[in-house]
Amino acid sequence: GQQVMQIPQYQHVQEGEDFTTYCNSSTTLSNIQWYKQRPGGHPVFLIQLVKSGEVKKQKRLTFQFGEAKKNSSLHITATQTTDVGTYFCAGGDSSYKLIFGSGTRLLVRP
Amino acid sequence: DTAVSQTPKYLVTQMGNDKSIKCEQNLGHDTMYWYKQDSKKFLKIMFSYNNKELIINETVPNRFSPKSPDKAHLNLHINSLELGDSAVYFCASSQAYQGADTQYFGPGTRLTVL
Repeated sequence: GQQVMQIPQYQHVQEGEDFTTYCNSSTTLSNIQWYKQRPGGHPVFLIQLVKSGEVKKQKRLTFQFGEAKKNSSLHITATQTTDVGTYFCAGGDSSYKLIFGSGTRLLVRP
Repeated sequence: DTAVSQTPKYLVTQMGNDKSIKCEQNLGHDTMYWYKQDSKKFLKIMFSYNNKELIINETVPNRFSPKSPDKAHLNLHINSLELGDSAVYFCASSQAYQGADTQYFGPGTRLTVL
């Protein structure tokens, strides 16, 4: 079945450093979505990418969708303590499911 | 107004008991989901309903029984609770039932089985 892998599992950075998490799917996706879950909170939708090679930005966050639509990345420039949380990618295909990656937990040292 | 709400927020119970978690969404969405998040933060889909009909039923023990009285509600009943059922259970909803749709999550129910 479809699998979505995400690396790294954890990332501990100094405030101001950059951060990147990577997502890889075993199958071609129709879209990739990114969610953020703050500690003790629930996943909250950040963005959706649909087109091959698509790049979208939200302030300090840059999202990319691979040319083959099987991988994606989220890059945060100059992390802040408010960026702390777990970032999930989620891959959608032609089925009814959205398959979530295992998540990357980001910790930021002030 | 809360878009997706769940009750209770916390649930502590003994092994062998039966418990229910309720979920309601006021977004007018057609599809609702139950996810289980374990201690390692893995989010695993359990069930999905579209307009009160079961769409997805992952490999979940039949002790878990979802019920959707209408498209705004999806409840989860768990029989004979086991230690391994301890987790956070999230309800979610989306406009349509395809893997392309954004999902809106409830605040979660932390279930602890003693």
